[in-house]
Amino acid sequence: KAGVTQTPRYLIKTRGQQVTLSCSPISGHRSVSWYQQTPGQGLQFLFEYFSETQRNKGNFPGRFSGRQFSNSRSEMNVSTLELGDSALYLCASSRQAVNGELFFGEGSRLTVL
Amino acid sequence: GIQVEQSPPDLILQEGANSTLRCNFSDSVNNLQWFHQNPWGQLINLFYIPSGTKQNGRLSATTVATERYSLLYISSSQTTDSGVYFCAVNDEGNEKLTFGTGTRLTIIP
Repeated sequence: KAGVTQTPRYLIKTRGQQVTLSCSPISGHRSVSWYQQTPGQGLQFLFEYFSETQRNKGNFPGRFSGRQFSNSRSEMNVSTLELGDSALYLCASSRQAVNGELFFGEGSRLTVL
Repeated sequence: GIQVEQSPPDLILQEGANSTLRCNFSDSVNNLQWFHQNPWGQLINLFYIPSGTKQNGRLSATTVATERYSLLYISSSQTTDSGVYFCAVNDEGNEKLTFGTGTRLTIIP
């Protein structure tokens, strides 16, 4: 059974650009959530989707957005990149919307220059 | 929101030693998970343990929900156990996971 797949694994962007990250959940999982990990702030929740609906959103500016498709795959987008957006972005999937066990992908490491 | 504290923040042990990592949380939880973050950044599931005790090989975990803490035990440590261990909880009424700050474990050969 394939795990959570995130693409791309590594990317380098410059300030002001935008980036789109992709996450394919484990087959049968309908919940996808996104987390940002930085050395200073640790692991912080970005948003969570279930059946194409955003159910929860963390405390991030509107430059961070996401969506989920009918096949449960999810994308997140960051516009007008800032240096502080450099981070490891982790995606997790779960079979259920609430209190489910989360399984994480390998992450997308974004560097903003 | 719920607060999650892990201790110790850093732990350095000789190969073969045993260790206990602690996770305290400030409110009732519906979900508690332990993860090991490998050197490449991936969070590997160790336990889904909102209450009770579970064992998986050299690792075991206990959550005492009424006293708001969880313990992760690692026996006969190996160098591959090195990395950062996180506990994460989601409290009642809140569906997102809140992570602790982690314990960095270093196993010396």
